[in-house]
Amino acid sequence: KQEVTQIPAALSVPEGENLVLNCSFTDSAIYNLQWFRQDPGKGLTSLLLIQSSQREQTSGRLNASLDKSSGRSTLYIAASQPGDSATYLCAVPSGGSNYKLTFGKGTLLTVNP
Amino acid sequence: DAGVTQSPTHLIKTRGQQVTLRCSPKSGHDTVSWYQQALGQGPQFIFQYYEEEERQRGNFPDRFSGHQFPNYSSELNVNALLLGDSALYLCASSFSGSNWNEQFFGPGTRLTVL
Repeated sequence: KQEVTQIPAALSVPEGENLVLNCSFTDSAIYNLQWFRQDPGKGLTSLLLIQSSQREQTSGRLNASLDKSSGRSTLYIAASQPGDSATYLCAVPSGGSNYKLTFGKGTLLTVNP
Repeated sequence: DAGVTQSPTHLIKTRGQQVTLRCSPKSGHDTVSWYQQALGQGPQFIFQYYEEEERQRGNFPDRFSGHQFPNYSSELNVNALLLGDSALYLCASSFSGSNWNEQFFGPGTRLTVL
């Protein structure tokens, strides 16, 4: 059974800092890994998707890496801004399906002005 | 291009009642999945619909049922509501013919059971 863990559970940083969020998964036979952002009480916004054949994916100030063999992914946020404050979730397909996602509990990020 | 839409936004029900939540997928998508997210937790997979059939199901009781229509929109029905069914219900859509299999989520329906 696939399990996804995210560390830390919460993170508070001053504006302008670079930061790293961590995601680990127990079954390395994944098809891809997706990072999402969730604002309080809202739906999920897809940030980045990394295919299993890729090692990195970048979008603006965000960079996600994937190491399948060790069961780990990181989300790097450069020059953080107060608007980046949200919960960040990672998810991987599991159960033999490319669509059934297993999520971590997320990292609550607060960027202080 | 409209993304995934869900209705209603909020819903308050009492124990034992039944509820129906609705989802319209992103344009061009043909697969709809439903997730339940309790406060402080990651979303949990309920089930997925493709070609109007339930293709895969998570660890949820039969009180949770669904339907997909020919236009790919979907409904989630929950019978005999329990207090523990209070959660944010998320719908996600994707395109079965995509190599990326990226899923896009709607804004969710907040269900409160009293």
